[in-house]
Amino acid sequence: GAVVSQHPSWVICKSGTSVKIECRSLDFQATTMFWYRQFPKQSLMLMATSNEGSKATYEQGVEKDKFLINHASLTLSTLTVTSAHPEDSSFYICSASVSSLYEQYFGPGTRLTVT
Amino acid sequence: DQQVKQNSPSLSVQEGRISILNCDYTNSMFDYFLWYKKYPAEGPTFLISISSIKDKNEDGRFTVFLNKSAKHLSLHIVPSQPGDSAVYFCAATQAGTALIFGKGTTLSVSS
Repeated sequence: GAVVSQHPSWVICKSGTSVKIECRSLDFQATTMFWYRQFPKQSLMLMATSNEGSKATYEQGVEKDKFLINHASLTLSTLTVTSAHPEDSSFYICSASVSSLYEQYFGPGTRLTVT
Repeated sequence: DQQVKQNSPSLSVQEGRISILNCDYTNSMFDYFLWYKKYPAEGPTFLISISSIKDKNEDGRFTVFLNKSAKHLSLHIVPSQPGDSAVYFCAATQAGTALIFGKGTTLSVSS
């Protein structure tokens, strides 16, 4: 149980285009979903927290107009990287929790490369 | 300013021996600590956690020790197995706020 999927697992896009990443909780309903970014050999850095049906809460330094998060249902959250630039290239990971921040189930991640 | 530090980027251990992964933190308000294991191109998977009111938690081959006075925790894996080879992340949280991750330690267990 507690499986989280992400799609796509790997995407290459051109600079200036937008990319949407999906995060789904497959066998449970997630009240909260989290989006992280990880650069090589670095920590997972929380970008934003989203609760179903409400606006996401972004961490300091994360541009909410660039990283659009939609959490339309209890099983789906999307992250859209708008007007992507090469510096947005990273590994994006989502996680989902049912009731507690302490129990987060992570997706497999999405590797974004912007050329 | 890194609030959670894993100062050893890598650790090599022989199969059957003990692996000890260390983690230091600076925020004394952290009240819950977690260890995650991560394989390449996969998301982290939860391993074990400990509340700040405890100093030890054990689950099978995995034991986490917490030394609050030293702001230090460690993960012990006994006996180590080749399948344990992965990146291990320490994470901490305060009163249910965001998880703060360390940079990870790559564990290599040789047979």
